[in-house]
Parts: sequence; C-alpha cells; structure tokens
Amino acid sequence: RKEVEQDPGPFNVPEGATVAFNCTYSNSASQSFFWYRQDCRKEPKLLMSVYSSGNEDGRFTAQLNRASQYISLLIRDSKLSDSATYLCVVKRNNNDMRFGAGTRLTVKP
Amino acid sequence: DAGVIQSPRHEVTEMGQEVTLRCKPISGHNSLFWYRQTMMRGLELLIYFNNNVPIDDSGMPEDRFSAKMPNASFSTLKIQPSEPRDSAVYFCASSLHVYEQYFGPGTRLTVT
Repeated sequence: RKEVEQDPGPFNVPEGATVAFNCTYSNSASQSFFWYRQDCRKEPKLLMSVYSSGNEDGRFTAQLNRASQYISLLIRDSKLSDSATYLCVVKRNNNDMRFGAGTRLTVKP
Repeated sequence: DAGVIQSPRHEVTEMGQEVTLRCKPISGHNSLFWYRQTMMRGLELLIYFNNNVPIDDSGMPEDRFSAKMPNASFSTLKIQPSEPRDSAVYFCASSLHVYEQYFGPGTRLTVT
C-alpha cells in the first residue's frame, strides 16, 4: 500500500463546477501537508499548504483531518486553466516529502 | 530570479551507457532533492541532501544509481549502466524552508 493514496481520476467537469479531491496517508507521524499542481509535461508547483483548521485561497479550499488521516481539496467555480494534475503531498518529520500519484482534472467549456 | 536549473532537458541513450544528470539549485537553498516520475509509479523521491550531505538515499533503486553534491550549487545523478526501465522524467528540487520545494523543469530520459 502506498503511503499517500489519491482518487484515481480523471475528473472531467464543466466550467463553473465544484470539484473535490481526496487523499489519505498512512504515516500517522506525518507533520505537514500540501497540494501541488502539475501541468502537462511541466514540473510540480506548490498550490497551497494544508492546515489543521482548514484554509482557503480564493476558489481553493483545503481541509485536513488528522484523526482520519485524510486531506481534501475543493475547487469552486472551476476554470479552464484549472486543468492539471493535483498532487497530494505529505511531509514526515524531516525534509522527506511523499507525493501521491496525482489526480487529473480536465475542465471543459 | 533563476529557478532550479537542470541539464540536459532531454537525453536519449542506449542500454548500458552511462548517464549523468545535472542540477543547479536555487542560490541560498540548503536542501536538494532528486525525484523520478513515471506513469506507473508516479513521483518517487530518490535521494535528498541537506547542506550538501546525503540524508536519505533509501529511494535509490539500486547500485546503478549514484548521486553527489560536491558543493551548494551543483548536484549530479548518475546511472551506470543504464537500462530501458530507467526511462522516466527526473526532477531536481531545492528548498530553504520545509514548506515548499521548487522543482526544476526535469530531464526526460529515454533508454533504448
């Protein structure tokens, strides 16, 4: 079993839709959590950190449930430019970051 | 500001040949990471360095792979001898704080 598991996707949604991605992690000692975005044939880039209290950045909302070892990302009013692969990332108690396999999102007109 | 620089961007080589991938981290960053990405296995951490010292190389697939960081501004990942199953995109990333890693554009390696 992988340390970080994500929805397999792909998600195909129309513009303006709300879409949610889920992620679970197996290492209860994990300390920090992130969502990265990767465009096709590009490098991953940090989208947002995930805090225990939940956090919002514009149309994006991230939630963390430590008890269930579960992370989510909600995208509201999706845009064509949101089309990408979203990677769930979990950091252990050092610099070791583990990436999920990613969930591909395609937003269609 | 220059980001993480990787070279070459593309490499095509024959099985058995030595391959050397290069990375220049962002100036001032103290951690450097090497990743491999394939469709089947996703993004895998191979090795990472803190202050030029290898901290965890448990992700290095086998002895054919080696990585060095002789100074704060340069690192190499070497595969010798290369095999077709090594074909992947290899990313280098650097960070200063623990919250964000900055990735280079990657090296797309094809071993025939």
